Amino acid sequence: NAGVTQTPKFQVLKTGQSMTLQCAQDMNHNSMYWYRQDPGMGLRLIYYSASEGTTDKGEVPNGYNVSRLNKREFSLRLESAAPSQTSVYFCASRDRVGNYGYTFGSGTRLTVV
Amino acid sequence: DAKTTQPNSMESNEEEPVHLPCNHSTISGTDYIHWYRQLPSQGPEYVIHGLTSNVNNRMASLAIAEDRKSSTLILHRATLRDAAVYYCILRDPTGIRGAGSYQLTFGKGTKLSVIP
Repeated sequence: NAGVTQTPKFQVLKTGQSMTLQCAQDMNHNSMYWYRQDPGMGLRLIYYSASEGTTDKGEVPNGYNVSRLNKREFSLRLESAAPSQTSVYFCASRDRVGNYGYTFGSGTRLTVV
Repeated sequence: DAKTTQPNSMESNEEEPVHLPCNHSTISGTDYIHWYRQLPSQGPEYVIHGLTSNVNNRMASLAIAEDRKSSTLILHRATLRDAAVYYCILRDPTGIRGAGSYQLTFGKGTKLSVIP
């Protein structure tokens, strides 16, 4: 199993450009999450989707939008990138049933210049 | 929200046991104690979780104090591959304190260095 796959792995954007970060999981998990991690910091939740068809804001949602395209895919969009959005972005998924662990992707390293 | 306190960094010699402490004095009755680790340039990886009793799995052991105000992650024989940042996280699966309470909230964790 591939687990959680994120694309792209690296991206450089100019201020004001837009882009979409893609995330897909093949574990039939119900819930999916987007986090960002700044240097020397822990992860902060941007948005999450508890189940297909629902999305909710996390701790730092400003400047981002999300789409839960289907059960497998959860995308994160930056409409107008800003240097403050330079970060490493992680997607994660988990099964809603039970209290099991989250599975994380390997991350997208985004630089906004 | 219930918070955790961990040392910023720890060192261990290779092949020796490592005890990573975590304080969570404001833990509620519905909070589970989760541990994740993050290897360099990778996403976090689930390690173990527990509620009240000590737990063992192939990766580690989790020792939970009787009053649940602290816990310790135990790596029985540290290897170089165990060098990572270890996060102790409280998670309430019931969401009784609101939808956000059952999400994972990461602190800065403990950076474990393993010396060959």
